[in-house]
Amino acid sequence: DAKTTQPTSMDCAEGRAANLPCNHSTISGNEYVYWYRQIHSQGPQYIIHGLKNNETNEMASLIITEDRKSSTLILPHATLRDTAVYYCIVLYGNKLVFGAGTILRVKS
Amino acid sequence: DVKVTQSSRYLVKRTGEKVFLECVQDMDHENMFWYRQDPGLGLRLIYFSYDVKMKEKGDIPEGYSVSREKKERFSLILESASTNQTSMYLCASSWDRGRGETQYFGPGTRLLVL
Repeated sequence: DAKTTQPTSMDCAEGRAANLPCNHSTISGNEYVYWYRQIHSQGPQYIIHGLKNNETNEMASLIITEDRKSSTLILPHATLRDTAVYYCIVLYGNKLVFGAGTILRVKS
Repeated sequence: DVKVTQSSRYLVKRTGEKVFLECVQDMDHENMFWYRQDPGLGLRLIYFSYDVKMKEKGDIPEGYSVSREKKERFSLILESASTNQTSMYLCASSWDRGRGETQYFGPGTRLLVL
């Protein structure tokens, strides 16, 4: 499975967009990029995934670069409840491998 | 909404006890997974199952067994609990198979073995 690199932590002001980067320079053509988050003391929550094209759903947008070596998760209007650890995962097949993730702190 | 439930949020057991952790999903998912999560180590896959009565070892199966008698239920068994099995246990389920995998997680069971 391709490895991912994420910043350890980020701060974001409430109401502003949160942009969380992820590098996955060894990704191969069939590997998906998944994002999950984990709020304290809860199970991980699926956010979004993509292969080549940018994706958007009710929670977030996922921007994948043309060479697919990096991606950005965008929370368009962050709220205090978005404070969590965000995991970027590159997946082929069924195995999710969670790294350390990025701690996002949304501040009022 | 997909719902994955786990039998307990918190559990305290003694060394040597047999421990059952149960997971139930209500979306007719084929695949079910058990992970443990420890500080600094992230989530690690213990066992998974693609179908009823089917199981496969994950990365850290030692000291654990599983049972899947019905599609919606996946049980994790600690035959003889030890203190190093104190952890957060997370169950997940999914319907995708092969490329791409959206797993839905339960709330977790925090197990303390004394």
